[in-house]
Amino acid sequence: SAVISQKPSRDICQRGTSLTIQCQVDSQVTMMFWYRQQPGQSLTLIATANQGSEATYESGFVIDKFPISRPNLTFSTLTVSNMSPEDSSIYLCSVERSGYYNEQFFGPGTRLTVL
Amino acid sequence: DQQVKQNSPSLSVQEGRISILNCDYTNSMFDYFLWYKKYPAEGPTFLISISSIKDKNEDGRFTVFLNKSAKHLSLHIVPSQPGDSAVYFCAANSGTYKYIFGTGTRLKVLA
Repeated sequence: SAVISQKPSRDICQRGTSLTIQCQVDSQVTMMFWYRQQPGQSLTLIATANQGSEATYESGFVIDKFPISRPNLTFSTLTVSNMSPEDSSIYLCSVERSGYYNEQFFGPGTRLTVL
Repeated sequence: DQQVKQNSPSLSVQEGRISILNCDYTNSMFDYFLWYKKYPAEGPTFLISISSIKDKNEDGRFTVFLNKSAKHLSLHIVPSQPGDSAVYFCAANSGTYKYIFGTGTRLKVLA
């Protein structure tokens, strides 16, 4: 199984600022995923990040709001830009289980509160 | 439009009894279903899955049942243990990396 860490684990931010969330995996993976879980809601895929290419965003999510970097096969960042209280969520990164494209490992999440 | 629904936000069960968590879906293209368990301050962890070619998959105390005609799946935990207390998410996909998650059911197993 993959071990995934995220930084920060939680943060409280002011409206209009930006926060960058880091995701580190203990093994090389092709695809990394970023999810959002708003209060009382399901996990929603934000984007897929492949090393060496632009991230692929899901409907309703745009690069200007959620820029993603994927500099190598073990690391990715998600930035939440120009935050508003509606961005208060848990943000999770995940990776595919090698050989099992239907199964994903999740990081512990970053709990973001925007005031 | 919520393609995967978990209509019970919470469930309480006595230790040793059976826990049944339900999940309904609307998209007939879904062909693989998964259950994840989530403890507070942790990410979801994979629990059990089932392919649409099966109607049952068992792993120890956990069994997932799939009723394709009803577009319904359920997770049975027997016997339930206090350590099973967590939020359970069902998820579905149609052969890609993209999961559609339900909103979760919080299970509390009472000692």
